[in-house]
Amino acid sequence: GAVVSQHPSWVICKSGTSVKIECRSLDFQATTMFWYRQFPKQSLMLMATSNEGSKATYEQGVEKDKFLINHASLTLSTLTVTSAHPEDSSFYICSALHNRGINEKLFFGSGTQLSVL
Amino acid sequence: ILNVEQSPQSLHVQEGDSTNFTCSFPSSNFYALHWYRWETAKSPEALFVMTLNGDEKKKGRISATLNTKEGYSYLYIKGSQPEDSATYLCAFNNQGGKLIFGQGTELSVKP
Repeated sequence: GAVVSQHPSWVICKSGTSVKIECRSLDFQATTMFWYRQFPKQSLMLMATSNEGSKATYEQGVEKDKFLINHASLTLSTLTVTSAHPEDSSFYICSALHNRGINEKLFFGSGTQLSVL
Repeated sequence: ILNVEQSPQSLHVQEGDSTNFTCSFPSSNFYALHWYRWETAKSPEALFVMTLNGDEKKKGRISATLNTKEGYSYLYIKGSQPEDSATYLCAFNNQGGKLIFGQGTELSVKP
């Protein structure tokens, strides 16, 4: 099956610093990628839809200036948590949309656990 | 607000037991229902994508059914094995690619 690589898998940072998370589709081109966040014991919550070559579409309540998304190529989307604070500590995971005719499928990265001190 | 509910939240079974769990989703504007299997420290792996009312899909010992009119899907595992231990996620799709996830059912199979 298709592979999506996400890095780093965990990161610890100081409050006020920015953290960049990368999501790469290794063996297919993905014009659309998605970023999710998951707090403990809760569902994966969609944060934004990342579109190659255009601006990301953010879900209601997600600050676009806080969570910067860049999708400059067909295989890479990045999420930057700017000026991270302890409340941003969470599990972040990306997925990439793979179009196979009418049977489009989503392939996920393995996630990034962010801890902000 | 679209809500996807899974039950139970966690399940502990013995090896060889058969088990099932439920996903409830909005019955309006249905496009697809996805099931994923998510092992710790790995990527969620797609099990099934179901689109038609009455769909029944099978993959080895795992099968799923879909009722779009009443808004539920069941996932069945026959003869559970320890390697089936994982969190099983369902996700409702009312637009291409944009998924709304349930909180998952965490399955633990003891040898």
